[in-house]
Amino acid sequence: GAGVSQSPSNKVTEKGKDVELRCDPISGHTALYWYRQSLGQGLEFLIYFQGNSAPDKSGLPSDRFSAERTGGSVSTLTIQRTQQEDSAVYLCASTPGLTGELFFGEGSRLTVL
Amino acid sequence: DQQVKQNSPSLSVQEGRISILNCDYTNSMFDYFLWYKKYPAEGPTFLISISSIKDKNEDGRFTVFLNKSAKHLSLHIVPSQPGDSAVYFCAARDFGNEKLTFGTGTRLTIIP
Repeated sequence: GAGVSQSPSNKVTEKGKDVELRCDPISGHTALYWYRQSLGQGLEFLIYFQGNSAPDKSGLPSDRFSAERTGGSVSTLTIQRTQQEDSAVYLCASTPGLTGELFFGEGSRLTVL
Repeated sequence: DQQVKQNSPSLSVQEGRISILNCDYTNSMFDYFLWYKKYPAEGPTFLISISSIKDKNEDGRFTVFLNKSAKHLSLHIVPSQPGDSAVYFCAARDFGNEKLTFGTGTRLTIIP
């Protein structure tokens, strides 16, 4: 597609359940980021993938969060045993890696009841 | 530790006037700064950027100013238009590190 695609756009889940959020970056972009925006907060960095390098996981808030990027393209962010404080919009972005300009998807809004 | 700060959560400006959005940072290793614009239910979109070797970058109605000694940057929009109403995020990149650190955003409302 022309832009970064994320699914689902909305997810409502019960506390304790696992969720998977998917990101399909712009074709040819080597770098992929996950950010989240909680209500009233800025964009919080979660994880960064660049090519075949080891991902920068320094932003993941707990070991319940994990992400992988298969084949250097699609990425999945997994949240295990969700908590109410995980409720946020999860944003994926990709970049060719040459500049700081990130191209964002529309986000996946997660609500944990 | 908020390394990028946008101290004004909201700003209202009359249509046609100048909008000035401010951003402060603490990390002297930041070498590249960007502004993003976000409409509701959409992802942020890139607006304008500036390298730390410059003090001004202009693109149409949008100008970004960087004051390195004060660790301050600002985005000027002139003239402001109703379509400029959005949340604006300031972001900074650490030299040698590809991730961007974002501020908390400023909601700009242009009053017709």
